[in-house]
Amino acid sequence: EDQVTQSPEALRLQEGESSSLNCSYTVSGLRGLFWYRQDPGKGPEFLFTLYSAGEEKEKERLKATLTKKESFLHITAPKPEDSATYLCAVRRNRDDKIIFGKGTRLHILP
Amino acid sequence: DARVTQTPRHKVTEMGQEVTMRCQPILGHNTVFWYRQTMMQGLELLAYFRNRAPLDDSGMPKDRFSAEMPDATLATLKIQPSEPRDSAVYFCASARSGHEQYFGPGTRLTVT
Repeated sequence: EDQVTQSPEALRLQEGESSSLNCSYTVSGLRGLFWYRQDPGKGPEFLFTLYSAGEEKEKERLKATLTKKESFLHITAPKPEDSATYLCAVRRNRDDKIIFGKGTRLHILP
Repeated sequence: DARVTQTPRHKVTEMGQEVTMRCQPILGHNTVFWYRQTMMQGLELLAYFRNRAPLDDSGMPKDRFSAEMPDATLATLKIQPSEPRDSAVYFCASARSGHEQYFGPGTRLTVT
C-alpha cells in the first residue's frame, strides 16, 4: 500500500537552530515528491517538487533532498516566520492522485 | 496573481441539511481535486476530475457526497444530508495534469 510517513510530528527550535524534517515513503512508481507549507487557517502552499533520487531544490532557508526511500527538508538558521506545518506528498506514476503525509508542525521560538 | 477560490469560507449548519461548496480553479488548469482535512486524518482525497470528467471518487461516502464540474470554471461538492462527523475543512486544488497542485483557502464546515 502506498503511504507517506513524516517525522517528527512536531518540532520546536530556537531561532537560528538548523534542523531537518523527514518524509519516508513507499509508493509503486514515484512520479514526483512534493513539499508544501501550511499556515493556520490557510490552504497548503506549494514549495518544491523532486523527481529523482539525488535531486535537490532550495528556496531561501529551505532545502529539499530526495533518496529512493525518503526526502528531507532542511531548514537553515530558521526564523519565527518559518513556523508552520510542513506537508510531504507523493504522486504515483499511474494517475494524478497524490498521497499526503500528516505533516510536521514546526515552531520557531524567537 | 492566479488563485483557486472557494466559497463559502465558513459554514455552520444543522445535521440533516444540504451543504454545497464551490470552487473556481485556476484558469488553464485541467485537473481539480477535493480534499477533506481533519486533525485526526490529515488531508484525505475525496474526488478528482480531469478535463471535467470524474476520474476517482473512491474517497467519498457515496450515499451522501457528490462532486460535479458543471463547467471548466466551477467545481461543486455537495453533502446531503450532512452529519456532525462531516465537520472538517474542505479544500479544493487545481493543477495542470502532471504538475503540482495549488490549493484554495478552504471551507470550514461545522455540522451541529
